[in-house]
This record gives sequence, structure tokens and C-alpha cells, in this order.
Amino acid sequence: ILNVEQSPQSLHVQEGDSTNFTCSFPSSNFYALHWYRWETAKSPEALFVMTLNGDEKKKGRISATLNTKEGYSYLYIKGSQPEDSATYLCAFSSGGSYIPTFGRGTSLIVHP
Amino acid sequence: DGGITQSPKYLFRKEGQNVTLSCEQNLNHDAMYWYRQDPGQGLRLIYYSQIVNDFQKGDIAEGYSVSREKKESFPLTVTSAQKNPTAFYLCASIQLAGGPGEQFFGPGTRLTVL
Repeated sequence: ILNVEQSPQSLHVQEGDSTNFTCSFPSSNFYALHWYRWETAKSPEALFVMTLNGDEKKKGRISATLNTKEGYSYLYIKGSQPEDSATYLCAFSSGGSYIPTFGRGTSLIVHP
Repeated sequence: DGGITQSPKYLFRKEGQNVTLSCEQNLNHDAMYWYRQDPGQGLRLIYYSQIVNDFQKGDIAEGYSVSREKKESFPLTVTSAQKNPTAFYLCASIQLAGGPGEQFFGPGTRLTVL
């Protein structure tokens, strides 16, 4: 079983703060890194699919970077809003096929 | 609307019973997956199927079985051999052709063993 670590485990911020999380994964045989947002009582929703070293993706106030050589990805949220409150999951896959290993997630709570 | 449906939303099972969780997708995705979520844990892969009539064990397949007779359907059976089946189960699908796309998830089934 591959080791995918996410930090921090949980985070409380004030509305308007910017924040970032980390996903660490094995640096060998990389295939893809996915980020998901999982809001309470909903299904996980895909944020980004990252496949190339150095990838930078952006969706609104959320962005992500990827370093496959050192085995990490950062997710950034600029100007957090209460609606950003959710658990953010990363999923790593290797070996040329999508057989994902998920991290335990970072739980973000944004206080108004 | 394209998407993934799972049924039932809640399921109660007596010890020793087998139960089957339904998963259907109309996204025309080749690959389908079953995950289990327990409190404080990430999603763990139970089984996956990347083509009809073929499926592979994930990290925690013991006590579970699946079938993939149709592209759109991937039911999961939780057997009496599964020691601790109470959990939240998510089904997902993804298009693999041309590189990994976004994975789409169903709404989940919460299974409770009485």
C-alpha cells in the first residue's frame, strides 16, 4: 500500500485568510495526482488533475502545484470564504494506470 | 443529466447476511471503483474495474465481491465474511482514454450492521 500523507489534518481560518495544504506521495513511477473537495452531505468533487512535473492549475481562488521529483503537491486557497469549508483530498496513482491511493484529507473550516 | 447513482442511501444489515450495493453510471466511463470510508481514514479502494467482465482487488477486498457484466453497472456485495462492514461506501467512475480525467463520485451508501 502506497503512503500518501496530507497535512495539516485540520485547519481553522478566518474569512479572508489565505491558506495552503500539502500532499506528499512517493516520488517514483508517477502517473497522476488528483485533488478533490468533499463538502458535508455531498459527494467528493474533482478540483484538479495533475500529470506533469511543474504543473500549476487554477480554478477561481484555488490553485495547485505539483513536484513529482520530490513527491509533493500544494493546494492554495486565496481569500478563504465560509463556503470553502470542506475536506480536501488528494489521490496519487502510479504505474501508468489510475489505481488511486487517497490521503486522509485536510479538513478546512472557515469562520465568518 | 449524466452522473452516478447509488442505492440505497442507507442500508441496515443483520450479522451474517450478504447485502448488495448498487452503482450505475451513464457517463460512458470505462473504469469504475468502489471505496470505503471510515471515520478518520481516507478513502480506501475495495475493487475496481477498467473494462467490462474484468475487475481487480484493491487494498481491502477481503469480504467483498463485485461483478461488471455491463459497462454502466458495478454492484458491490458485502458478504458475511467481512468482519467490520459498517462504513460509508462510495462508487466512482473515470474515463481513462487519453490520460486520466476527473473521477466522478456517486452520493454514497451508508451501511450499518445491527
